[in-house]
Amino acid sequence: GQNIDQPTEMTATEGAIVQINCTYQTSGFNGLFWYQQHAGEAPTFLSYNVLDGLEEKGRFSSFLSRSKGYSYLLLKELQMKDSASYLCAVSKTGKSTFGDGTTLTVKP
Amino acid sequence: DAGVIQSPRHEVTEMGQEVTLRCKPISGHDYLFWYRQTMMRGLELLIYFNNNVPIDDSGMPEDRFSAKMPNASFSTLKIQPSEPRDSAVYFCASSLGPQGTDTQYFGPGTRLTVL
Repeated sequence: GQNIDQPTEMTATEGAIVQINCTYQTSGFNGLFWYQQHAGEAPTFLSYNVLDGLEEKGRFSSFLSRSKGYSYLLLKELQMKDSASYLCAVSKTGKSTFGDGTTLTVKP
Repeated sequence: DAGVIQSPRHEVTEMGQEVTLRCKPISGHDYLFWYRQTMMRGLELLIYFNNNVPIDDSGMPEDRFSAKMPNASFSTLKIQPSEPRDSAVYFCASSLGPQGTDTQYFGPGTRLTVL
């Protein structure tokens, strides 16, 4: 099976940097996705990591360590619109399993 | 492209009634997924199709749930009979490649309330 752990909630200040962690245990592994989901809306794709290391995409970066079963999503220069739930999803052949998500609240 | 289209957006029904949710994937996407999201259980994969063929339905909760994909541009998820515990948001998603390697594009979801 796949156990995926994320913090339930986080709070940060506008303009700051926040790191959302995701740890997982899985019997097989292809890659790890991060999705953003605003309240009442559908999840939207943020990033996909297959290899170890950091992938940067604008204000968002995602890191993966396959040996440690660990990933994080780094959000820089936080904006109010970044208040949302952030879901990590662990993929093995054919299917993904989503974590419960981390609700991020950005305060002025 | 209009993205993944789902209908209805909201559905309120009474226990015991049949409910049919509909999905039109993005044109050219070979994979279609049905998810259910609740506060208690998060986002759960119910079933997925590849080229209209069901590949994995291990997430379907019980025999009351069934899904079909008669062609590449249409899929349905049916609940018969519905129960209050089926209340959730049901998302349809599609992708070019397998779930493990390709980005999924989600529809807006159907919010189902069973009274």
